[in-house]
Amino acid sequence: AQKITQTQPGMFVQEKEAVTLDCTYDTSDPSYGLFWYKQPSSGEMIFLIYQGSYDQQNATEGRYSLNFQKARKSANLVISASQLGDSAMYFCAMREGWGTSYDKVIFGPGTSLSVIP
Amino acid sequence: EAGVTQSPTHLIKTRGQQVTLRCSPISGHTSVYWYQQALGLGLQFLLWYDEGEERNRGNFPPRFSGRQFPNYSSELNVNALELEDSALYLCASSLGENTGELFFGEGSRLTVL
Repeated sequence: AQKITQTQPGMFVQEKEAVTLDCTYDTSDPSYGLFWYKQPSSGEMIFLIYQGSYDQQNATEGRYSLNFQKARKSANLVISASQLGDSAMYFCAMREGWGTSYDKVIFGPGTSLSVIP
Repeated sequence: EAGVTQSPTHLIKTRGQQVTLRCSPISGHTSVYWYQQALGLGLQFLLWYDEGEERNRGNFPPRFSGRQFPNYSSELNVNALELEDSALYLCASSLGENTGELFFGEGSRLTVL
């Protein structure tokens, strides 16, 4: 079963508009971390934002914010004021099992975002 | 400060051959992760090394193996290459097993003919 689901294979957004990229996850661990990474067409993976399962506040980093709804196991990425350079693949990732034999960071299938001028 | 470096950047092999990919983590980072990203697909977890030990491995056959050296650099070995091994192999490092953020290299693109 998929541990991380990103239901939007492709998204379009108008430049300067906000966009939400969906991510749902599945874990029974009480302690886990959630991440978002950006992968432009050049291929490198760029870390965007992190949310710990015990963090009370939603994480924010500049134009990026993470809408963390723990009960729904949802960790959506919100990009405000989209720019052309935001066009890329976006991956949601999770680390669970911290310190256990199944500790690892796994990634969702990704969402391709295209920003339209 | 140098980022994560991987070599080679591109390589072409034929079925049945063996390949070794190399990764140097950011200075001070002790954890190295390996991922496989087939064309147009997401990242599949391969291996995780920390402090020279294998901490976890993904659901890949034993012909995928690796190691981490005392200087924390790492190698990924793939034996008996198959066509479906064609992919971008990404290495990432982190400060240690108690941190989560991964810093990625630019990857090694392997083509198997």
